[in-house]
Amino acid sequence: ETGVTQTPRHLVMGMTNKKSLKCEQHLGHNAMYWYKQSAKKPLELMFVYSLEERVENNSVPSRFSPECPNSSHLFLHLHTLQPEDSALYLCASSQEVGINYGYTFGSGTRLTVV
Amino acid sequence: GNSVTQMEGPVTLSEEAFLTINCTYTATGYPSLFWYVQYPGEGLQLLLKATKADDKGSNKGFEATYRKETTSFHLEKGSVQVSDSAVYFCALLLRDSNYQLIWGAGTKLIIKP
Repeated sequence: ETGVTQTPRHLVMGMTNKKSLKCEQHLGHNAMYWYKQSAKKPLELMFVYSLEERVENNSVPSRFSPECPNSSHLFLHLHTLQPEDSALYLCASSQEVGINYGYTFGSGTRLTVV
Repeated sequence: GNSVTQMEGPVTLSEEAFLTINCTYTATGYPSLFWYVQYPGEGLQLLLKATKADDKGSNKGFEATYRKETTSFHLEKGSVQVSDSAVYFCALLLRDSNYQLIWGAGTKLIIKP
């Protein structure tokens, strides 16, 4: 149990589908993040939320839409994805958005776009 | 620009061997440095960190020293176990960027019994 739970663990979707990834933490953290992990590439920061407010959007295509309804939950809504979007999507949280705070990661959702 | 460079894997060692995974960085100012580990099928876990020059982070027998003069943060362990098989990520956090971790590409470590 890492403290950050992601569902589903695996997801296969067609390019015309709409799906959502869910992330939940009960660590009392105020910051939450979405990362994309592709094979042999550094982790890519996608979105950052601090106290439910988006503070960073790293030029992510609009087919990825985040939602943070409260400080414990984070969603990533997916629609009309491309095969190159297949990757491991990691959610993370930290006490605050600030230096030196370690991140707690979830186990990720392995997404395959067909 | 700011970047982290790790040695390419996979690194394959026998059990009880000495481990070094190299990490060097390029950054403005004085970043904080981290090592994260990702076991098969799991998310990343913070392994150790160092926040200023000459600091040594340590955890689970792993150590890394923040070397400002060589801009390095090499990960070491004296005697590895099969259970250490994982992917190891070096990362830095810039002081003028509250959340933008800069990641290395990861180094896969395989320990054979």
